[in-house]
Amino acid sequence: AQKVTQAQTEISVVEKEDVTLDCVYETRDTTYYLFWYKQPPSGELVFLIRRNSFDEQNEISGRYSWNFQKSTSSFNFTITASQVVDSAVYFCALSGYNTDKLIFGTGTRLQVFP
Amino acid sequence: GAVVSQHPSRVICKSGTSVKIECRSLDFQATTMFWYRQFPKQSLMLMATSNEGSKATYEQGVEKDKFLINHASLTLSTLTVTSAHPEDSSFYICSATMAGIGDYGYTFGSGTRLTVV
Repeated sequence: AQKVTQAQTEISVVEKEDVTLDCVYETRDTTYYLFWYKQPPSGELVFLIRRNSFDEQNEISGRYSWNFQKSTSSFNFTITASQVVDSAVYFCALSGYNTDKLIFGTGTRLQVFP
Repeated sequence: GAVVSQHPSRVICKSGTSVKIECRSLDFQATTMFWYRQFPKQSLMLMATSNEGSKATYEQGVEKDKFLINHASLTLSTLTVTSAHPEDSSFYICSATMAGIGDYGYTFGSGTRLTVV
């Protein structure tokens, strides 16, 4: 069975602080894909990143960075120098190679205060 | 990039009526479409997976007679909530993918907020 755990329900930070959102996954597939999505109050899902299980390189995109560690089954997301516009719910998700289903974690609500 | 259009964005209906939500892939052919439901402050729960021209596969606990899914073409899937009740009030989101998610990923619609009064 596949499962995604986001243990942090809510995080509050002050602008310019760095914040890391944790994601731990479970899967029996050897090939799988991990995703992060942002859901602002308007509700739409904004795609942030997709990573396949064979690529453990960390990725940086502007203020965003991702740390993928297969040894701990984690795919953590860090926002550097957070901004008020980063306030949203962030979802980590997992899909196996042989299934089209995308399984979401419970999400982490991030509030960035000015 | 790939775009999925979902309509309506908001709908209010009376208890006992049916509501249809459309999900269209605008610039690609979606071999598979998914329907999710999200209650306030909760995660997205997969309701069903539909492939063009075949019956939808529903997740455990989802009533297929209540949530009718039609995927008549490679660019359109519809979700009809039949005989809606207040407990069906929720945020419904569709997503679409082309064959092989490793290559194409998922594209999500903007969601439909359904309120049953």
